[in-house]
Amino acid sequence: QLQLQESGPGLVKPSETLSLTCTVSGASIDTSAYYWAWIRQPPGKGLEWIATLYHSGSTYYTPSLESRITTSIDTSRNQFSLTLTSVTAADTATYYCVRSMMITYAGEFDNWGQGTLVTVSS
Amino acid sequence: DIQMTQSPSSLSASVGDRVTITCRASQDIRKDLGWYQQIAGKAPKRLIYAASTLQSGVPSRFSGSGSGTEFTLTITSLQPEDFATYYCLQHNTYPRTFGQGTKLEMK
Repeated sequence: QLQLQESGPGLVKPSETLSLTCTVSGASIDTSAYYWAWIRQPPGKGLEWIATLYHSGSTYYTPSLESRITTSIDTSRNQFSLTLTSVTAADTATYYCVRSMMITYAGEFDNWGQGTLVTVSS
Repeated sequence: DIQMTQSPSSLSASVGDRVTITCRASQDIRKDLGWYQQIAGKAPKRLIYAASTLQSGVPSRFSGSGSGTEFTLTITSLQPEDFATYYCLQHNTYPRTFGQGTKLEMK
C-alpha cells in the first residue's frame, strides 16, 4: 500500500530556506506511472498547489513562488523534495506531498501524505 | 490562471439531509475536476475525479456532476462523518487551482 511521509524542520527562521522531503513507500518513485506534487495549507486557510514533478524531469511551479522553489527526485532513496528560499511568515503552513497516477482520466492527487507543519518564526 | 469559485463557503445541515456544493471555473476545464474532503486536522481525501467518477471506497451517497465550467458535489443522506470541509480542484491547466472550500457544519 502506497504511503507518503513528509519530513523536515518544523521551525524555520525568516529569510532562511525551508527544505522538505517526501519518502515514498509501497511503490517505486522511479517510474513514469506516477507523478508527484507539493501542496500547502496555511493555518485555517485553503489548499494551495505549489509544484508538480514528473518522472521525465519536467516541473511546474505556482507562479507566485516560482522564483523561490526548487524540487528534485532522488530515485535511490525513493524520495522527492521541496526547497523554498527566503521564507517569511506567509510561508507558515502544513505542507503535503501528494501522488498522482499517469493514467488518462484518472484525475490528480489521489494519495496524500499526512502533512507536516512548518512555522516560520524567529 | 483558472479561478475556481466554490459556493457556498459554509453550510449548516442535519444528519440525513441532502446537500449540494457548486464549483464554477473561470474557463472551460472539460471534466478535469476533482472533489476532496478534509476532516479537521487531517489530510485531504479525494472523493470524486473526472468530475463524476467516485473514488474507490467512497460511499455512494457522494456524487459529482458537471463539465465545462459548472460542477456540483452532492451528498445525499448526510452522515455524522461527512461534516468536514470540501474543496474542488481543476487539473486542466497549470497552475492547478483549488476552490476556496466549503465548510459543512452540523445544524
